[in-house]
Amino acid sequence: EVQLVQSGAEVKKPGESLKISCKGSGYSFTNYWIAWVRQMPGKGLEWMGVIYPGDSDTRYSPSFQGHVTISADKSISTAYLQWSSLKASDTAMYYCARREYSLIGMDVWGQGTTVTVSS
Amino acid sequence: QSALTQPRSVSGSPGQSVTIPCTGISSDVGSDIYVSWYQQHPGKAPKLMIYDVTKRPSGVPDRFSGSISGNTASLTISGLQAEDEADYHCCSYARSYGVFGGGTKLTVL
Repeated sequence: EVQLVQSGAEVKKPGESLKISCKGSGYSFTNYWIAWVRQMPGKGLEWMGVIYPGDSDTRYSPSFQGHVTISADKSISTAYLQWSSLKASDTAMYYCARREYSLIGMDVWGQGTTVTVSS
Repeated sequence: QSALTQPRSVSGSPGQSVTIPCTGISSDVGSDIYVSWYQQHPGKAPKLMIYDVTKRPSGVPDRFSGSISGNTASLTISGLQAEDEADYHCCSYARSYGVFGGGTKLTVL
């Protein structure tokens, strides 16, 4: 079964760092782009960026460039999303998704990781 | 590309058809246009319903169809069923990144 399994919920304080993960299984992890998508409470989806685990080619949405870092470790079929200094406005659900169809056709999604940033 | 515009809500009765518009679509390099649609039930991850404007992934009922006219893409759901009640998000791609619409809540009356 093709699946993406994300790391568990996080509760952090403003200014702290964080790295969440997304582990792929059941397919060749290096051959598919992985996207990260943010959903703030009660809001729509936001495209953050994508990474190709085969060579770590990474593209960011201008809205997130410089605010987060997307990386991958192909040896353990895992993609990451990290922050160096969290803000309260980073409170959201974060999804990873496999890009199977064309440029924005994500067919397999992780279960989501809730990040809460509060003092 | 700026965020795409969707109505906050639409509704329809079982068996009817509804159309959800998504305005602000622009073409990528070479005039290629990429639009996908996602269904999201409360507390669940999104599910891909349409990609490349009109294509359906395997397993998606043919009651779901996509189209585009000018800078507006549309998702049409025919023969509405109770389980279609969900949020629907459009997504487009240009200049190396994707952008989503604000999402539309579909209520099946």
